[in-house]
Amino acid sequence: EAGVAQSPRYKIIEKRQSVAFWCNPISGHATLYWYQQILGQGPKLLIQFQNNGVVDDSQLPKDRFSAERLKGVDSTLKIQPAKLEDSAVYLCASSFNRGRVGYTFGSGTRLTVV
Amino acid sequence: AQSVTQLDSQVPVFEEAPVELRCNYSSSVSVYLFWYVQYPNQGLQLLLKYLSGSTLVESINGFEAEFNKSQTSFHLRKPSVHISDTAEYFCAVSEIRAGNMLTFGGGTRLMVKP
Repeated sequence: EAGVAQSPRYKIIEKRQSVAFWCNPISGHATLYWYQQILGQGPKLLIQFQNNGVVDDSQLPKDRFSAERLKGVDSTLKIQPAKLEDSAVYLCASSFNRGRVGYTFGSGTRLTVV
Repeated sequence: AQSVTQLDSQVPVFEEAPVELRCNYSSSVSVYLFWYVQYPNQGLQLLLKYLSGSTLVESINGFEAEFNKSQTSFHLRKPSVHISDTAEYFCAVSEIRAGNMLTFGGGTRLMVKP
């Protein structure tokens, strides 16, 4: 089966600009996650979707970050405006459902804010 | 809330030597445990997981991890490492019935030297 697809692979922007990342999960996977991985740290969950509904966004900085999964398939994560500390790898993952343990990660989008 | 501590940020080791990467967690409820591996410029790959049953779990490439409930540990071991094992290793936990959300440790960089 095809894996979790993410684009772009790399993005460099200036602070205060906006940026968007795209994720296409494995076909049939109802649950989708966005993680932020700052260099030298483990990934941190930003938001979890079940189909097109948000399950948990408690760690999403909602003043600048937003995410959507309108049709319950693809998802976009947006940052507006970006700050230097947003430089990180943004990882998308999906699983068949919330009860299915373990999931598949995409290769991530490396964001550099200058 | 759960937390994960990986005690060693870097572990240098010579090829064919044994290695142990340490992981301790804290949680007020029962958890599932995972080890993920991240090769340079790649996404996270599941290495092995403990869900229930035998406390010793193995991966297809020779790694093993043992769940020790009394010590709240899930250390990763390999009796003889290869150059190709050079990567970042992340320990993660998921509280049972917590919607499959993972909490990661800070990672351990395994550096295998010839």
